[in-house]
Amino acid sequence: ILNVEQSPQSLHVQEGDSTNFTCSFPSSNFYALHWYRWETAKSPEALFVMTLNGDEKKKGRISATLNTKEGYSYLYIKGSQPEDSATYLCAFDYGGATNKLIFGTGTLLAVQP
Amino acid sequence: NAGVTQTPKFQVLKTGQSMTLQCAQDMNHNSMYWYRQDPGMGLRLIYYSASEGTTDKGEVPNGYNVSRLNKREFSLRLESAAPSQTSVYFCASSETGAVQETQYFGPGTRLLVL
Repeated sequence: ILNVEQSPQSLHVQEGDSTNFTCSFPSSNFYALHWYRWETAKSPEALFVMTLNGDEKKKGRISATLNTKEGYSYLYIKGSQPEDSATYLCAFDYGGATNKLIFGTGTLLAVQP
Repeated sequence: NAGVTQTPKFQVLKTGQSMTLQCAQDMNHNSMYWYRQDPGMGLRLIYYSASEGTTDKGEVPNGYNVSRLNKREFSLRLESAAPSQTSVYFCASSETGAVQETQYFGPGTRLLVL
């Protein structure tokens, strides 16, 4: 059974704090690791698709790293803002004829002004 | 460009009633997916359609049927709703269904089965 775990489940930070969370996934049959940002009452929105060991991607104040050998990815947010409040989902892409994804349960981030 | 749209946004059903959740995408994508989201669990794949005319079971298909009506539309049907099907349902699409592709999600349908 393929299992994707995210930690912590939730995080409360103050505006301006930097934060990070973890996604753990199987280290075999790896094709890609996806990060999504999901605001309440909106659609999950793609942040990054990471494919190579050692990958580091950045979008504004958000960045992500990937270690496929040990099966984890970190998402970092520098200088958190209230608009960063959302659930951050990771999804493991194990290949196959269609890109079926295994999602983690997400990390809920709340940034207080 | 609306992306992925879903109707209805909310629905309340009684046990045993049937309904169809509609999904449409305007990105000319080949592959479409239905997921359900339950508290404390990740998004779980119900059914997917790799291309027009094909559908396949995902992780949790029991109690559901799907129809890929055309390239744009992919519907999910509950023939006899059960309280265990209370959930938030998301439709998604991707360009070709190839590995490593981003999936684009709709806004979700919240379903309550009493």
